[in-house]
Amino acid sequence: DGGITQSPKYLFRKEGQNVTLSCEQNLNHDAMYWYRQDPGQGLRLIYYSQIVNDFQKGDIAEGYSVSREKKESFPLTVTSAQKNPTAFYLCASSTGNRVHQPQHFGDGTRLSIL
Amino acid sequence: QKEVEQNSGPLSVPEGAIASLNCTYSDRVSQSFFWYRQYSGKSPELIMSIYSNGDKEDGRFTAQLNKASQYVSLLIRDSQPSDSATYLCAVKDDYKLSFGAGTTVTVRA
Repeated sequence: DGGITQSPKYLFRKEGQNVTLSCEQNLNHDAMYWYRQDPGQGLRLIYYSQIVNDFQKGDIAEGYSVSREKKESFPLTVTSAQKNPTAFYLCASSTGNRVHQPQHFGDGTRLSIL
Repeated sequence: QKEVEQNSGPLSVPEGAIASLNCTYSDRVSQSFFWYRQYSGKSPELIMSIYSNGDKEDGRFTAQLNKASQYVSLLIRDSQPSDSATYLCAVKDDYKLSFGAGTTVTVRA
């Protein structure tokens, strides 16, 4: 089945540790996105990529890093510089940057601090 | 940052009634508008998209767009308990989606 797979579903981070969240899609979508959702709030854009080997910062990129080495994959690293990482992380993809194309989401990863 | 405001809720409606959700946005050049449904603990699911002024109907859902007033709404007719969820309004300009905080709807049986 075509879709967006995020792993793991739950992740715990220790102080000073970097952790990486996986996002893989088999929809042949060009664009991929990472969002963060805090309780009772909307989604905030962390990073996005419109093409392989290129990505841009979103509204809250500090403390995060990404790579886009393959079209199918867009992993997010939460670094130790992100002091408040506890949130629900959502990966999305869409067919390029054509304005009317919606974004579709994976099932998300819940990150907590140990 | 572009602002997207939704009525704060929570919104409680009896089964079979119409639920009305509102959304305003700050950026006049926004071109595409989406409604996502998010069940508790789950990821958002696209339920409606609208690009032109007027109404768009899909089953029990109707989206309404007024670009002059920078306003988009979602009506849920014949509300069912399965419609109980948080509804997120999203506004797109080029590649970026900006989201509202969501309106939580509870349908009372």
